[in-house]
Amino acid sequence: AQSVAQPEDQVNVAEGNPLTVKCTYSVSGNPYLFWYVQYPNRGLQFLLKYITGDNLVKGSYGFEAEFNKSQTSFHLKKPSALVSDSALYFCAVRDIKGNSGNTPLVFGKGTRLSVIA
Amino acid sequence: DAGVTQSPTHLIKTRGQHVTLRCSPISGHKSVSWYQQVLGQGPQFIFQYYEKEERGRGNFPDRFSARQFPNYSSELNVNALLLGDSALYLCASSPTDIYEQYFGPGTRLTVT
Repeated sequence: AQSVAQPEDQVNVAEGNPLTVKCTYSVSGNPYLFWYVQYPNRGLQFLLKYITGDNLVKGSYGFEAEFNKSQTSFHLKKPSALVSDSALYFCAVRDIKGNSGNTPLVFGKGTRLSVIA
Repeated sequence: DAGVTQSPTHLIKTRGQHVTLRCSPISGHKSVSWYQQVLGQGPQFIFQYYEKEERGRGNFPDRFSARQFPNYSSELNVNALLLGDSALYLCASSPTDIYEQYFGPGTRLTVT
């Protein structure tokens, strides 16, 4: 079964500095990878996805993520953090197995990002 | 366009009761999924429906059931509520059953 690991419960970064939120995954087929952000008492907002093609994908609010097949990673990055980026970030994966049918979206446990002014 | 809407926003129930949560997808989206998010955890998959057919079921007991209507809205039903069912229940819609999903604000269920 597919799985996602977000090794850091909390990431602290100073405003203006680059940020990275880590994600590794495990699938038996091909991965469809996603990042979502959740603000307090809110649903999840879609940030970006990797389906196929260029390993560097760009998303909303200046975020980007790099797909690394050999390291089975999909780390979220932003060149310059804002205080308003402080939120809970979730990585998710769907295992695409061709004609074997679709598998559900599996989420990591989340990483809380705190950007300090 | 309106996003995914869910009702009610908050709900308090007693153990043993049942509850029905409702979800309206983004216009044009034919797939609806339900997730349970317990405090401090990522969302856990409960059900996915596409074109009114169940496409997947997570590891939840039979007390949980769902359905999708001809207008693609959906209901999640939970019978014989337990304290452990207290959580944020999220509904998500997508145009197909494999690409990114768009989430509603959730229904906060508290079981006492």
